[in-house]
Amino acid sequence: EIVMTQSPATLSVSPGERATLSCRASQSVSSNLAWYQQKPGQAPRLLIYGASTRATGIPARFSGSGSGTEFTLTISSLQSEDFAVYYCQQYNNWPSVTFGPGTKVDIK
Amino acid sequence: EVQLVESGGGLVQPGGSLRLSCAASGFTFSSYSMNWVRQAPGKGLEWVSYISSSSSTIYYADSVKGRFTISRDNAKNSLYLQMNSLRAEDTAVYYCARDPTYYDFWSGYHSIYYFDYWGQGTLVTVSS
Repeated sequence: EIVMTQSPATLSVSPGERATLSCRASQSVSSNLAWYQQKPGQAPRLLIYGASTRATGIPARFSGSGSGTEFTLTISSLQSEDFAVYYCQQYNNWPSVTFGPGTKVDIK
Repeated sequence: EVQLVESGGGLVQPGGSLRLSCAASGFTFSSYSMNWVRQAPGKGLEWVSYISSSSSTIYYADSVKGRFTISRDNAKNSLYLQMNSLRAEDTAVYYCARDPTYYDFWSGYHSIYYFDYWGQGTLVTVSS
């Protein structure tokens, strides 16, 4: 099983600031990585797939980068609606896809 | 608009059974692979099961293999999860989630194995 880790566990950011979230895979997943946003009481929402492609309707302030084992999700200027938990997911080793434990982005 | 609506969750005793349903609309259900993903209270996400568009290919996580059965009815635009021999550790919100399956004229349907649309989830609580 490919183990996904995310850092930091919690990120405190002020509105308007940049947020940088990290995701690491225990072995290479090529570019087969997705990012999701989850707000309290809601289902996850797909943000990024293929490590760097924004999903339909996702604002340009969200960007993804990386390949192999190291990935980054950047939110260029945090809006109030962006405070949430973010999960990465590898889908290279299907069907055993795995998620990271999440990074909570909260208000500083 | 793509919509996925789960139902069937509730409180069940350890060793009991429950059947979850997911009603799909807003897309051609029969053309997409589907999944169940769960989230224990306050925890992260765990993939549970996958079914291809024609039901010809099915996968399960090791944690549920032999106890859960995924199925679908393309005529009814519905996905199901039959859960037997339930344990306390199965307590979670269960989401149905669509795979962004694509079609190739020469080689047919191909799953990609991430999740582009999710339902709102249904809570399953296993407790005596």
